[in-house]
Amino acid sequence: AQSVTQLDSHVSVSEGTPVLLRCNYSSSYSPSLFWYVQHPNKGLQLLLKYTSAATLVKGINGFEAEFKKSETSFHLTKPSAHMSDAAEYFCVAQGGYSTLTFGKGTMLLVSP
Amino acid sequence: DSGVTQTPKHLITATGQRVTLRCSPRSGDLSVYWYQQSLDQGLQFLIQYYNGEERAKGNILERFSAQQFPDLHSELNLSSLELGDSALYFCASSGAGANTEAFFGQGTRLTVV
Repeated sequence: AQSVTQLDSHVSVSEGTPVLLRCNYSSSYSPSLFWYVQHPNKGLQLLLKYTSAATLVKGINGFEAEFKKSETSFHLTKPSAHMSDAAEYFCVAQGGYSTLTFGKGTMLLVSP
Repeated sequence: DSGVTQTPKHLITATGQRVTLRCSPRSGDLSVYWYQQSLDQGLQFLIQYYNGEERAKGNILERFSAQQFPDLHSELNLSSLELGDSALYFCASSGAGANTEAFFGQGTRLTVV
């Protein structure tokens, strides 16, 4: 069994400041991990994925995430927030052929 | 564009009715997932099909059923609809390999009145 915990339901940043969205996972084996973004009234879009290759994964729109096995974490970061980054972000785990396990989501608010 | 097509985009229906939501996966993808997203419950996994067979079941009500057809498109049937079934229903598809990412459709917004 696996689970995903997103540690913050809401994160507020100012435009131009760094973004950190935290995610911890629990799994009995090494899962694949993903971050998805959902803009209002839109579908989910894949930002990046980790599948046991490099631990630092670069995604679209300047986002990146680092897999830390010792901490069972997969935090999402971006050096400088943009207004268009305001959205809900989901951390997702998948083990083998099993279904996707979603975190509850983190709403990112970006103020000017 | 993710390549996953869901129809219809919006659906308004009355309580007690039955509706069918349709999903066409990305070309070549064998897995189809259905999710329900509502304000109070968040994103809930309903069911997964792989090449026509049910692979995993989540929090799917008995009033709901799904199937995946030989051409790999999938349908989610919701019956005896209640006000609480109003939600955004997403379909996602993924490839045949292990640990492959899922691509999501734009969703069907169901409103039960």
